[in-house]
Amino acid sequence: EAGVAQSPRYKIIEKRQSVAFWCNPISGHATLYWYQQILGQGPKLLIQFQNNGVVDDSQLPKDRFSAERLKGVDSTLKIQPAKLEDSAVYLCASSLMASGSTDTQYFGPGTRLTVL
Amino acid sequence: GQQVMQIPQYQHVQEGEDFTTYCNSSTTLSNIQWYKQRPGGHPVFLIQLVKSGEVKKQKRLTFQFGEAKKNSSLHITATQTTDVGTYFCAGRSSGYALNFGKGTSLLVTP
Repeated sequence: EAGVAQSPRYKIIEKRQSVAFWCNPISGHATLYWYQQILGQGPKLLIQFQNNGVVDDSQLPKDRFSAERLKGVDSTLKIQPAKLEDSAVYLCASSLMASGSTDTQYFGPGTRLTVL
Repeated sequence: GQQVMQIPQYQHVQEGEDFTTYCNSSTTLSNIQWYKQRPGGHPVFLIQLVKSGEVKKQKRLTFQFGEAKKNSSLHITATQTTDVGTYFCAGRSSGYALNFGKGTSLLVTP
């Protein structure tokens, strides 16, 4: 079974530029998550989709971050404009469903963003 | 909002020694999950605990969920160099979102 795919793996941009990340979840997984992991910290949930609807985006900085999952499969996360403090690894994860006795989240390899 | 605290932040042990990391939540949790992240890697799911007082074992790893469902622990018996990494707990209270702790980084010296 293929895992969660993310691209690009690395991105270096200057502040005030825009950047987009792509994620393709495990086939059949209804729920998709975007996390931000700053060095030395745990992943912080930015947004959670169930199919193509947003379940939780309470920690998404909506003035600069946006995400979509139009067809309920793959997703893009955009930052516009980027700030120095956005330097982090952006992790995408998917799970079969959001609720239930077990909803194991499978993480992709992440995109390491450096903002100069 | 809900906060999940983990201690210690770092732990350095000799191979063969035991290791424990603790997780505490400011609110009662519906469930808690544990993940392991190797250096340069991504988090990998280890286990989920749901019931009050639950104890689960995976070979040398023992996971506990407190009676009040506000704390949890991961204990590794006789550590090996392959145990190196950062161990995260992630708790869910109400709603869907998992809140991750900052993790405990384990270094095992041969």
